[in-house]
Amino acid sequence: GAVVSQHPSRVICKSGTSVKIECRSLDFQATTMFWYRQFPKKSLMLMATSNEGSKATYEQGVEKDKFLINHASLTLSTLTVTSAHPEDSSFYICSAISSRGGNSPLHFGNGTRLTVT
Amino acid sequence: GQNIDQPTEMTATEGAIVQINCTYQTSGFNGLFWYQQHAGEAPTFLSYNVLDGLEEKGRFSSFLSRSKGYSYLLLKELQMKDSASYLCAVKDSNYQLIWGAGTKLIIKP
Repeated sequence: GAVVSQHPSRVICKSGTSVKIECRSLDFQATTMFWYRQFPKKSLMLMATSNEGSKATYEQGVEKDKFLINHASLTLSTLTVTSAHPEDSSFYICSAISSRGGNSPLHFGNGTRLTVT
Repeated sequence: GQNIDQPTEMTATEGAIVQINCTYQTSGFNGLFWYQQHAGEAPTFLSYNVLDGLEEKGRFSSFLSRSKGYSYLLLKELQMKDSASYLCAVKDSNYQLIWGAGTKLIIKP
């Protein structure tokens, strides 16, 4: 069964509103969670790395004030897209890992398809 | 800079064997992952290699040569459901995952 739950799976919002996406690890404590964005027919683009209890590390070119990440507990991270615009429409995927070293694979959520009208 | 190269698209026939190659240049190496991603879905983990050699897991096998910066994913007895994108990712010295652009595999009957 799924080990990472991401919600909602689809969301349509109006331009200027904010959208929150939740990512939960279901049966393990996630020391680190990652947020990705994926455009059609493109690979995953890492947006930010989130460690529980500390500020997220954003990749170059990603606006931290626009994409707010909160990793409040070892099982929950949230991504809030603030003041969304049509160009923010994309497939957002979270993943979680219990340990950064070794062969711990990433466990992915099912993704959230965001459409901004 | 860090770079992962894999073919953009490959086509194979149902029941056949296909090999998807991945070459990498990264700052350090802490393992190589292969993921499968069906259209519109999140990736799923297939394999992990950190030592040279072949790792076999059912119909899928993954090979690594660290000296050559090279890996391949071998899929045997192809089924239509294997049509997907296959992503190669390398963990660098900072344990960051560097992703390839993915190889779209098309299976024909």
